[in-house]
Amino acid sequence: DQQVKQNSPSLSVQEGRISILNCDYTNSMFDYFLWYKKYPAEGPTFLISISSIKDKNEDGRFTVFLNKSAKHLSLHIVPSQPGDSAVYFCAASAQSNYQLIWGAGTKLIIKP
Amino acid sequence: EAQVTQNPRYLITVTGKKLTVTCSQNMNHEYMSWYRQDPGLGLRQIYYSMNVEVTDKGDVPEGYKVSRKEKRNFPLILESPSPNQTSLYFCASSLSRHPNTEAFFGQGTRLTVV
Repeated sequence: DQQVKQNSPSLSVQEGRISILNCDYTNSMFDYFLWYKKYPAEGPTFLISISSIKDKNEDGRFTVFLNKSAKHLSLHIVPSQPGDSAVYFCAASAQSNYQLIWGAGTKLIIKP
Repeated sequence: EAQVTQNPRYLITVTGKKLTVTCSQNMNHEYMSWYRQDPGLGLRQIYYSMNVEVTDKGDVPEGYKVSRKEKRNFPLILESPSPNQTSLYFCASSLSRHPNTEAFFGQGTRLTVV
């Protein structure tokens, strides 16, 4: 049973608009969440993270929101740019063992 | 340039023929790990290493071995590959196991076992 789920395999957004990528988790022990970005033929690269003591973290055009009661987090990209076209992975970990549990990824396509 | 280097990038092999995928990092990181990525699934950890001579199983260790004789190298060994090990493999390194330390990934090794 997947503990971290990204229910949208792909998402298409117009350049300049907001992209919203969603992630749901089932394990209430998760207390640290990360987003990684992956281009074709490359490894994932770290994008942004959030601790469970916060409900929002912002870094330039990227903002991650955490809703602990709903066990849901989202990544907002504003404005979306062509270089944002990539696969985005959500990952979560618990303080008990720090093991990262990954979602299956969402492929974001930014249309010109 | 800080990087994690995996070799080979692509490999097609036959069932039962032993193979090794190499991984090397130049950032003096203590923590290294191997993942596999399969369609519809997230990255799953195969093995990890907290430091030299310290390795442990991840979520899907069956059929794999690792070693950490030097800090910079963490090879993944498939003693007798089977078709269900056809996958995309990533090596990663970070300063520590804590998730707030950024993990750096290699470019991946696409393995096909026929």
